[in-house]
Amino acid sequence: QSALTQPRSVSGSPGQSVTISCTGTSSDVGGYDRVSWYQQQPGKAPKLMIYDVNRRPSGVPDRFSGSKSGNTASLTISGLQAEDEADYFCCSYATDNMRFGGGTKLTVL
Amino acid sequence: QLQLQESGPRLVKPSETLSLTCSVSGGSISSSPYFWVWIRQSPGTGLEWIATIHYGGSTYYNPSLKSRVAIFVDTSKNQFSLNLYSVTAADTAVYYCARYSYVPNWFDPWGQGTLVTVSS
Repeated sequence: QSALTQPRSVSGSPGQSVTISCTGTSSDVGGYDRVSWYQQQPGKAPKLMIYDVNRRPSGVPDRFSGSKSGNTASLTISGLQAEDEADYFCCSYATDNMRFGGGTKLTVL
Repeated sequence: QLQLQESGPRLVKPSETLSLTCSVSGGSISSSPYFWVWIRQSPGTGLEWIATIHYGGSTYYNPSLKSRVAIFVDTSKNQFSLNLYSVTAADTAVYYCARYSYVPNWFDPWGQGTLVTVSS
């Protein structure tokens, strides 16, 4: 059982938007603006997509955005493309730990 | 471009020690303010942070694994290593090494990962 709760799967059609939630507690997501999101293609290492809740590394399309409200962080992907199909994991800093979500499989229909 | 590569035995017997090394290329492991971490991924528990080290020697461990884990750094070889003691089948996972930034907070880049199986 993962520390942060994510939906197991989400789906959307090309061009649509999808949002993936990541729910924690006041000890992690709610207590710090240190939430990051990772994309993982099959058989590959995770790739950083969002850090510090809503900041995007260079090279990541601006279709990817992050936000947070209370103990829940969210990743929104707009203008879905086939290449976005992957697993997405959230991660949050906690006082004595780094906690991950269980991952969400995004299917582009 | 910074790259990380894990190496070590792919098969470990129960009760023995799992030892992995991460070789860093394209940059120095002594590059402040970064840290270096081990993370594992298994079907049963998803991604799990194991341990963090700074080139200066500061270490941080996941409380759930702290009694069985040690992380080391060798700046002369630009490598850092993990020992996980008294392993069981539950330690079977893909093990990743990665660079960690505290502020801003992220893991990037990650190594390709190595599958370690615990079995007799």
